[in-house]
Amino acid sequence: AQKITQTQPGMFVQEKEAVTLDCTYDTSDPSYGLFWYKQPSSGEMIFLIYQGSYDQQNATEGRYSLNFQKARKSANLVISASQLGDSAMYFCAMREGHAGNNRKLIWGLGTSLAVNP
Amino acid sequence: GAVVSQHPSWVICKSGTSVKIECRSLDFQATTMFWYRQFPKQSLMLMATSNEGSKATYEQGVEKDKFLINHASLTLSTLTVTSAHPEDSSFYICSASGTGIVDTQYFGPGTRLTVL
Repeated sequence: AQKITQTQPGMFVQEKEAVTLDCTYDTSDPSYGLFWYKQPSSGEMIFLIYQGSYDQQNATEGRYSLNFQKARKSANLVISASQLGDSAMYFCAMREGHAGNNRKLIWGLGTSLAVNP
Repeated sequence: GAVVSQHPSWVICKSGTSVKIECRSLDFQATTMFWYRQFPKQSLMLMATSNEGSKATYEQGVEKDKFLINHASLTLSTLTVTSAHPEDSSFYICSASGTGIVDTQYFGPGTRLTVL
C-alpha cells in the first residue's frame, strides 16, 4: 500500500545553516509525484516543491531543493540558508499515477522545524 | 496565481446547528476540490474529493450525511457540517486543483470550527 514516512517529529537548525528533512515513500506504481508543503502556525498550507518520478533532475525552487533518490525511495527536502520564517511544520506527500490533478495525496505525519537565531 | 480562499476563517457555533464553509478558487478553474480535517499537531486527513458537477467521493469513515459537500461551479465548493457536535471541532482546510496551473493542489487558509 502507498505510504509516506517522515521519521523526524522535530528538527532544530541554526539560522543561515542548511537543513535536511527526511521523507521516504512506498508505492508499487512506477508513475508518481512527490510534494513538499509548509504549514506555519497560521495554518495555511504552502506548496514548496514537486518531483515527478520520471524527472531526471532533482527539483529546485529557490532555497528549496529535493534530494530524490529513486532506488532508496526517498525524497528529502533540503532548505539552504535557513531563515527564522522557515520555522513551521513540513509535510511530504505523494500522488500515485501520472499527472492528474484529481488524484488524492497521501500525507506524511510532518516534521516540525524550529530555526534558532 | 493559484489563489484559494476559504470563508469563514473561524466560526463558533452551538451544538446542533449547521455550519457552512466556502472554498473558492480566485484565479483558476478548480475542476477538483479536496476537503481535509486536521487535529492539532497532526497531519491532514482527507475527508472527500469533489469534482465539479459530480457527487463527492468520501473517504472511508467519513459520514456523508453529516459532512455535505457541494461543488456546483468551477470556482466554488462548500462543506456543510450538519447538526454539529463538540467532537466536530477541528481545523477544516480545502484545496483545489485544475486546468492551467502547476500540477499540484493549492490550499485555502483553513477554517477553525469550535462547537460549544
